[in-house]
Amino acid sequence: SQQGEEDPQALSIQEGENATMNCSYKTSINNLQWYRQNSGRGLVHLILIRSNEREKHSGRLRVTLDTSKKSSSLLITASRAADTASYFCATVERYGNKLVFGAGTILRVKS
Amino acid sequence: DAGITQSPRHKVTETGTPVTLRCHQTENHRYMYWYRQDPGHGLRLIHYSYGVKDTDKGEVSDGYSVSRSKTEDFLLTLESATSSQTSVYFCAISELGLAGGNEQFFGPGTRLTVL
Repeated sequence: SQQGEEDPQALSIQEGENATMNCSYKTSINNLQWYRQNSGRGLVHLILIRSNEREKHSGRLRVTLDTSKKSSSLLITASRAADTASYFCATVERYGNKLVFGAGTILRVKS
Repeated sequence: DAGITQSPRHKVTETGTPVTLRCHQTENHRYMYWYRQDPGHGLRLIHYSYGVKDTDKGEVSDGYSVSRSKTEDFLLTLESATSSQTSVYFCAISELGLAGGNEQFFGPGTRLTVL
């Protein structure tokens, strides 16, 4: 069963705009990770946020985590055409050692 | 890129035949994982390994077996392939356990078609 559920399933924006993707999950977690997948390629790790953190930044990425609502969001600022990809959230349960992925958000950035 | 290779990259086989996919890493990472990716499902864990000869089942392990006789190699076997196992298979590695805040590094994937 999927732990994370991303919203929206697909997002189309213009270059320079911000993109926000949301993720909800069901159980208590140790950490939550975001990955990107370019078409036909393997996944690439973007950012990790631990359960005791509320916000984290990495370059143009900002991740928030609300454990009371069991949700996270990924914000990509000043998007570029190269950001076009699928984005997945994945959770590690509190005492687990596995990543459980959501179905992903397909982001298209138009130039 | 992390040193992870998968072989073969593409394979077409027939129902009922055995298939083995190989994942090879040069990073000396302890943990290795096999996922399958299907439209609308994201990635689902099949099996993982936390050391040589140490493996455990994932979410969708039925019909699959794994072996890890060396740190660098993790094999996924479909004993008798079925059409429902048509998918893209990804191998991943992590240096340490995920609960410790470690990330996974993914291989390029193997596209398997079972006719």
